[in-house]
Amino acid sequence: GAVVSQHPSRVICKSGTSVKIECRSLDFQATTMFWYRQFPKKSLMLMATSNEGSKATYEQGVEKDKFLINHASLTLSTLTVTSAHPEDSSFYICSARRLRTEAFFGQGTRLTVV
Amino acid sequence: TQLLEQSPQFLSIQEGENLTVYCNSSSVFSSLQWYRQEPGEGPVLLVTVVTGGEVKKLKRLTFQFGDARKDSSLHITAAQPGDTGLYLCAFTGTASKLTFGTGTRLQVTL
Repeated sequence: GAVVSQHPSRVICKSGTSVKIECRSLDFQATTMFWYRQFPKKSLMLMATSNEGSKATYEQGVEKDKFLINHASLTLSTLTVTSAHPEDSSFYICSARRLRTEAFFGQGTRLTVV
Repeated sequence: TQLLEQSPQFLSIQEGENLTVYCNSSSVFSSLQWYRQEPGEGPVLLVTVVTGGEVKKLKRLTFQFGDARKDSSLHITAAQPGDTGLYLCAFTGTASKLTFGTGTRLQVTL
């Protein structure tokens, strides 16, 4: 299957700082990338959809100024958690897909805000 | 309101036992997917079911899509510790968005 790489896998940051998470499709061009958030022992909740070269589409209840998404190329999307607070601590997962194919997932990023 | 409700939420069984996980909805889907996620990793696709009444087998895993395409089940025969994980059903909606069910955590002990 296709490879999606997410970096970093773990990050600890201080409250009030910003953190950037990268999602790369290594062997294919992703027309669409998705960002999910997962709380402990819970399912994945879709945060936003990003298409290369256009603004991300956020799900209801997700603060777009808090979670900045940039999809600058067909192989890279970034999620920046701005002014992070402890309640932003979570497992963030990206996925990427080509047109009309299955979605492939990154390995996730564990964010801890202290 | 969650579109896809899974049951049970958590299941702890011993090695060798059989189990069934259910994924239910009031909506009709053109297809459903099943994923397994291990701790600290992203989900991995197990199967996609497309036709109402369809049954697919993947080694000890049997997947069924309901006749009305509103529900699906996953049956595991002779569970092994390696089957431990979070099992998720999902559907692809508008704009190719993949929406997950509530999840079932399975723990298989020796």
